[in-house]
Amino acid sequence: ILNVEQSPQSLHVQEGDSTNFTCSFPSSNFYALHWYRWETAKSPEALFVMTLNGDEKKKGRISATLNTKEGYSYLYIKGSQPEDSATYLCALNAGGTSYGKLTFGQGTILTVHP
Amino acid sequence: GAVVSQHPSRVICKSGTSVKIECRSLDFQATTMFWYRQFPKQSLMLMATSNEGSKATYEQGVEKDKFLINHASLTLSTLTVTSAHPEDSSFYICSARDLAGVRGQYFGPGTRLTVT
Repeated sequence: ILNVEQSPQSLHVQEGDSTNFTCSFPSSNFYALHWYRWETAKSPEALFVMTLNGDEKKKGRISATLNTKEGYSYLYIKGSQPEDSATYLCALNAGGTSYGKLTFGQGTILTVHP
Repeated sequence: GAVVSQHPSRVICKSGTSVKIECRSLDFQATTMFWYRQFPKQSLMLMATSNEGSKATYEQGVEKDKFLINHASLTLSTLTVTSAHPEDSSFYICSARDLAGVRGQYFGPGTRLTVT
């Protein structure tokens, strides 16, 4: 059973603050790491698919880094806005016989206060 | 692009009845769809992988006779919860992978099932 952990479980920040959270996964089983943003009553929205060690991806004010050797990924949000409030999920594609299957972390619930 | 719909969004049913949930890829073809379940304060847990034209593959601990999956076309997969019981009350969400499979999975908005 793969164990994907996210921390913190929840986070409250003020508008304009920058923030980051962590996704940890077993480094021995890795094909790709996915980040999703999930707003209430909507579909999870894909943010990034990361595959290479040292990878860094950016989408507007959101960026992510990946360390496959030590088994973690960071998601950063610069200058948080209230519309960034959502649950951020990471998911591991372990490859091999599990190719295509995603193992999710519990998510980090971000609340940005105006 | 890459929109997945799910219907119904919310359903309440009586214990012992069956409930069907539909998952559709609206603007792309999906040979593979996935069904997940989420209990309160827990992560999304994969239940089964649905492949168009073949039998679904169930994860360990998921009863295939209770959770019937049909993937009859490249744009539609259905999950039927048979003889539902209160412990089946949960949030069910589907996802679809595009034919190339390189962009991960696109998710529907989910279905909240309450069995009374």
